Amino acid sequence: DTGVSQDPRHKITKRGQNVTFRCDPISEHNRLYWYRQTLGQGPEFLTYFQNEAQLEKSRLLSDRFSAERPKGSFSTLEIQRTEQGDSAMYLCASSLQGAGTGELFFGEGSRLTVL
Amino acid sequence: QKEVEQNSGPLSVPEGAIASLNCTYSDRVSQSFFWYRQYSGKSPELIMSIYSNGDKEDGRFTAQLNKASQYVSLLIRDSQPSDSATYLCAALRGNTPLVFGKGTRLSVIA
Repeated sequence: DTGVSQDPRHKITKRGQNVTFRCDPISEHNRLYWYRQTLGQGPEFLTYFQNEAQLEKSRLLSDRFSAERPKGSFSTLEIQRTEQGDSAMYLCASSLQGAGTGELFFGEGSRLTVL
Repeated sequence: QKEVEQNSGPLSVPEGAIASLNCTYSDRVSQSFFWYRQYSGKSPELIMSIYSNGDKEDGRFTAQLNKASQYVSLLIRDSQPSDSATYLCAALRGNTPLVFGKGTRLSVIA
């Protein structure tokens, strides 16, 4: 399977703990995005990378969130000191730059539950 | 005001009817528009893109764009129960990340 893969698919944690999600994009895609989705809402942009460079972060993204994409391949999203409001589905997507920029391919998501 | 607005629904249509899904956007600089379908518990998947004013047809789906009115729509002809899902409208401005609406839930009744 050469689609976008995310790990873990589900994570339950206690408030105050740190969590890390991993995303492996489609291999030839140079753009990688992180979105967050809660029930009844559309995906909300968090951050994105072009190759290894993090080009934009949402103004809504608190300092507890950090993302990396070393060597322009897989990416990790870490949430420190989790809060109950962080409970959501974290979606990773990849695309090609240019004409394909709006054509995102999503992974199955990582669902976070903060108790 | 959110950048992309959609009626959350649910929109219920009988099987075989035409489902009409609507979306408005606030940023006049937005250039390209996309419709994603999201089944319950699944991730969004792209079904249509439209870049210029007018209609674009793909099988049972027709996307319509009116930049003067800042309005995008998706028509689904001969709706099937398998079309029941949430439909997300998204707008793209230059190289900035895709902005999604909250989605419209469609229910096709057999």
